[in-house]
Amino acid sequence: QVQLVQSGPEVRKPGASVKVSCKASGYTFSTYDINWVRQATGQGLEWMGWMNPKSGNTGYGKKFQGRVTLTRNTTINTAYLELSSLRFDDTAVYYCARGRGWLEPTDYWGQGTRVTVFS
Amino acid sequence: QSVLTQPPSVSGAPGQRVTISCTGSSSNLGAGYDVHWYQQFPGTAPKLLIFRNTNRPSGVPDRFSGSKSGASASLAITGLQAEDEADYYCQSYDDRLSGSRVFGGGTKLTVL
Repeated sequence: QVQLVQSGPEVRKPGASVKVSCKASGYTFSTYDINWVRQATGQGLEWMGWMNPKSGNTGYGKKFQGRVTLTRNTTINTAYLELSSLRFDDTAVYYCARGRGWLEPTDYWGQGTRVTVFS
Repeated sequence: QSVLTQPPSVSGAPGQRVTISCTGSSSNLGAGYDVHWYQQFPGTAPKLLIFRNTNRPSGVPDRFSGSKSGASASLAITGLQAEDEADYYCQSYDDRLSGSRVFGGGTKLTVL
């Protein structure tokens, strides 16, 4: 069955960087984009960006351009989100979710990774 | 301020029908882009509920239905059950934001 399994919780200080992983299984990794969505406590969903695992092409939400880097390792079917220059308001749960192109839904989601920015 | 506008909350008694609206603009829903709906329970990841306006993934009860007209969309839930109490989000694509997926702000459904 399709699964996206994310790495564990992280705590960082302001100004630091964090890298979250998302390991895919149960399908051919290269055939679906990986999207990243975050959710602050008690808040809504916020789309951050996408990556095509086959080509490595990426797209980022305007708010995150310059601070987010999406990469992948196709040998281990894993996608990565790196967020730099962390601020207190980056404290959130970060989800990966697979989808086929910009117009299609994200049909499977990871369990989420909590990132806490704390001084 | 979300690009897609949803009511913060709706409520209904068991057995009733409720609807959740999602209002966009000429750069997203009004441009003809499809809407998708997600259901989220506290502490869990969102789950795809309706895709491409009206389609249910396998396993989603037919009590859930979606519609879209112009720059607006709706999610309807009939025969409301206690287990439907959750947050619901609409999502689409916005061509003004360089290929961005956009979400509504979410609607908390309370079953009375």
